[in-house]
Amino acid sequence: KQEVTQIPAALSVPEGENLVLNCSFTDSAIYNLQWFRQDPGKGLTSLLLIQSSQREQTSGRLNASLDKSSGRSTLYIAASQPGDSATYLCAVSGGYNKLIFGAGTRLAVHP
Amino acid sequence: DARVTQTPRHKVTEMGQEVTMRCQPILGHNTVFWYRQTMMQGLELLAYFRNRAPLDDSGMPKDRFSAEMPDATLATLKIQPSEPRDSAVYFCASGFGRAYNEQFFGPGTRLTVL
Repeated sequence: KQEVTQIPAALSVPEGENLVLNCSFTDSAIYNLQWFRQDPGKGLTSLLLIQSSQREQTSGRLNASLDKSSGRSTLYIAASQPGDSATYLCAVSGGYNKLIFGAGTRLAVHP
Repeated sequence: DARVTQTPRHKVTEMGQEVTMRCQPILGHNTVFWYRQTMMQGLELLAYFRNRAPLDDSGMPKDRFSAEMPDATLATLKIQPSEPRDSAVYFCASGFGRAYNEQFFGPGTRLTVL
C-alpha cells in the first residue's frame, strides 16, 4: 500500500530564505507526482506536476525534483515571501490516476 | 477560465439528515474524483468515475454514502443518514482519463454535522 510522508510537518522561516520541502513515497510505481498549495479554509491549487519519466519541473521561484527509484521528491522555494505561507501537499498518482496525499508541510514565512 | 465548481460551499446539518453535495467538472474532463479532508486523516479518496461509470468507491462507507454522475456535467455525493464523524471538507476533482494527467480541484464543501 502506497504511503506518502512529508517532512517537516511545519516550518517557520524569515522572509528571503531559500527552503526545501521533502516528500517520500514507499512504492516507486507511480505515474506522476503533484505538489499542491492549500491556504487556510481554501481548496487545493496545483503548483507543479512531474511525470514519472521526468526529473524536475520549474515554475517561477518553485522547483520540484523527482527521484522515483529512491521514492523522493523535493520542492525548492527560492527567496521565500510572506505570501508563500500556506500548507504544501505532495501527492503521488497510482493506477487510474488516484492521488495518494501526504499530510502536508505547514509553512510560515515571516517578514 | 475553466474550473471545477462545488455546491454548497458550506453546509451545517443535524445528525440523521440527508446531505447532498454537487460538483460540476471542467468541461471535457472525463474523470471525476471525490476526496475528503479531515484534520486526523488528511486527504482521502472516496470514489472516482470515468466516463460517468464508477470505477472505485472502496474509500466510502457503503451503508451511508453514495456517489453518482447523472450526466457528464454533474457529480453528486450523498450521505444518508449523516453522522457527526462525517464532518469534513469534501473536495471534487476532475481530469482527463489518462494516468499522466493533472487533477484540478474544486473549492470544497465544508460539512458540519451537529
